[in-house]
Parts: sequence; structure tokens; C-alpha cells
Amino acid sequence: GESVGLHLPTLSVQEGDNSIINCAYSNSASDYFIWYKQESGKGPQFIIDIRSNMDKRQGQRVTVLLNKTVKHLSLQIAATQPGDSAVYFCAEDPGAGSYQLTFGKGTKLSVIP
Amino acid sequence: DTGVSQDPRHKITKRGQNVTFRCDPISEHNRLYWYRQTLGQGPEFLTYFQNEAQLEKSRLLSDRFSAERPKGSFSTLEIQRTEQGDSAMYLCASSSSGPTSYEQYFGPGTRLTVT
Repeated sequence: GESVGLHLPTLSVQEGDNSIINCAYSNSASDYFIWYKQESGKGPQFIIDIRSNMDKRQGQRVTVLLNKTVKHLSLQIAATQPGDSAVYFCAEDPGAGSYQLTFGKGTKLSVIP
Repeated sequence: DTGVSQDPRHKITKRGQNVTFRCDPISEHNRLYWYRQTLGQGPEFLTYFQNEAQLEKSRLLSDRFSAERPKGSFSTLEIQRTEQGDSAMYLCASSSSGPTSYEQYFGPGTRLTVT
């Protein structure tokens, strides 16, 4: 079975509001976590990553939080825009020399103008 | 465009036929990955190359699937005797082997439909 999953399959937010997308993982040995955005008809686009020795990382309008105690990952998008509408996947890398990313099923984010 | 490119973007084939897809990675990337994605699911890892060497293969990669990267640049993924269950989006990604090696950049994918 999948070791990475998402709590909510869909999320609708008003334009300008903040979005929070959650992800649970089961492999406590995973070394690296990544969030990808996938728009319809396109390949996944790298958003932000976080190493297992960190608990927070910020990018442009995005923040990733990692809680290793409960094996939980979240992506926060500030001031959500219509262009943020997409499916968001979290992925984990088991480390130990493997580059085999394991993806969850994804959360579809819809931004209401 | 200096991103990952894939060809063709769409392929419709009849069951039992062979198909081959091509991936051109970002030029300075020496690592190349193939994933498969079905509707509503996240990508599933198939295989990975570092230069021309195929270093990891998923159990999903049955003996009907073969991938090559003969010169360490572009790669091909061939599916022999296609089955309806092979219908999916086939994604290619590439990364460097330096400090940002975990950042895999994906191409647009090849959508395969087996009728």
C-alpha cells in the first residue's frame, strides 16, 4: 500500500485566503519530502522541499511544515490565487541512496474568484 | 525551452502492439527517472538512470517494459505487447547529482491509451 497519503481529496478556498494542504506519511525513515503542483495536462511542478532534520521551510508564498512526531506534512499557500488551482501531491524520498519518490494521491485545490 | 521534453505527447495503440516513448532531460542533469500516473493517482516510480546506468527498477516494471539511456542523454521507454492496463500517463523527470539532486523536474508526459 501507499506510505504517503492525503487527508482531503478536494479543497476549495476563496481567492486571497490562505490554503492548507495536509499529508500523512508512514515511513519514519524518509529523509526528504517534496510538494509538487500538477495542472491539468501537465507534469508535476516542484514547489518546495524539506529535509527530515527541519520542521519548517518557507518559499515564495508557500510554507512547508514537517511534524515527524506524528508523521505529518503540510503545505501552506498564502493569499491563494486562481493560478494556484491544481492538484497538489506530497512525495517522500526514503533516502539511503534511493531516489525512488513515493507520491500520495493528491489534493485538488480550487480557488473561487 | 530548456525543460524536460517528452515525445509523443499522446499515443493511441491497439492491444498487443509495441510502443516507444522518448524523454529528453534537462541538458546538465545526469539523472533520469520514469514514472507512471493513472487518473486520480500520484505518479508511481518505474525506473531511474544515472548517466547510462539503470540503477533502480520498480517491481511495476514488468518484463514487457524496457528502458534505455544509451548515451547518458535521452532515454526511451518501450512497452511490448501492450495491455489495456498499460493505459496511463508516462512521466519522465531529471535531476542533477549535486546538492539539489532531490529536485526532480518533470516533463509534460506521454498519455498512452490502449484500445
